[in-house]
Amino acid sequence: NAGVTQTPKFRVLKTGQSMTLLCAQDMNHEYMYWYRQDPGMGLRLIHYSVGEGTTAKGEVPDGYNVSRLKKQNFLLGLESAAPSQTSVYFCASSFRPTGTTYNEQFFGPGTRLTVL
Amino acid sequence: DQQVKQNSPSLSVQEGRISILNCDYTNSMFDYFLWYKKYPAEGPTFLISISSIKDKNEDGRFTVFLNKSAKHLSLHIVPSQPGDSAVYFCAASAKTGANNLFFGTGTRLTVIP
Repeated sequence: NAGVTQTPKFRVLKTGQSMTLLCAQDMNHEYMYWYRQDPGMGLRLIHYSVGEGTTAKGEVPDGYNVSRLKKQNFLLGLESAAPSQTSVYFCASSFRPTGTTYNEQFFGPGTRLTVL
Repeated sequence: DQQVKQNSPSLSVQEGRISILNCDYTNSMFDYFLWYKKYPAEGPTFLISISSIKDKNEDGRFTVFLNKSAKHLSLHIVPSQPGDSAVYFCAASAKTGANNLFFGTGTRLTVIP
């Protein structure tokens, strides 16, 4: 069981470039999430998905798009990267949705993205 | 506006003693609370949770206390071990509203051997 995996682990982009971060989980979880973590701040939700083919906006969605074509994968895209998107990105998945008990999320190891 | 706050960025404790990590929240709709532990270069891992219908939950060396009237929760680790050295995040969620898990800014715990 690999749990939640993320690729790549590190990436450096120039302003205006695009990229896709891949998240994969092998726990058959319905719910998947993308967070960013910035210094001095807690993790903030970017987008989430409640099942294959669904996506929804979180707290800080601007500048990002997501897709969930397969249940086990959740992709985060940056169409035109900006320095403000320099951050560590975490993907997570859960068996139960936020707002219920026992809704603990399982996190991937993170992707450190730098936008120059 | 930070709805979950961890006002102590760091805490140092001697091995074998008790570690107490604190967390405050502002949203009275929060009804489920979790603690996560994070080592460097890894993602957060779930540690323990508590529902608002309880005021205490124990799991081995870890106990979480919830004071709803004060909107405060704390994580007690007894006895503390060097392997507990990590960043601890408090998180909260509500039944209604956006599908957010709201995280605090974290407290770095160092357990000194």
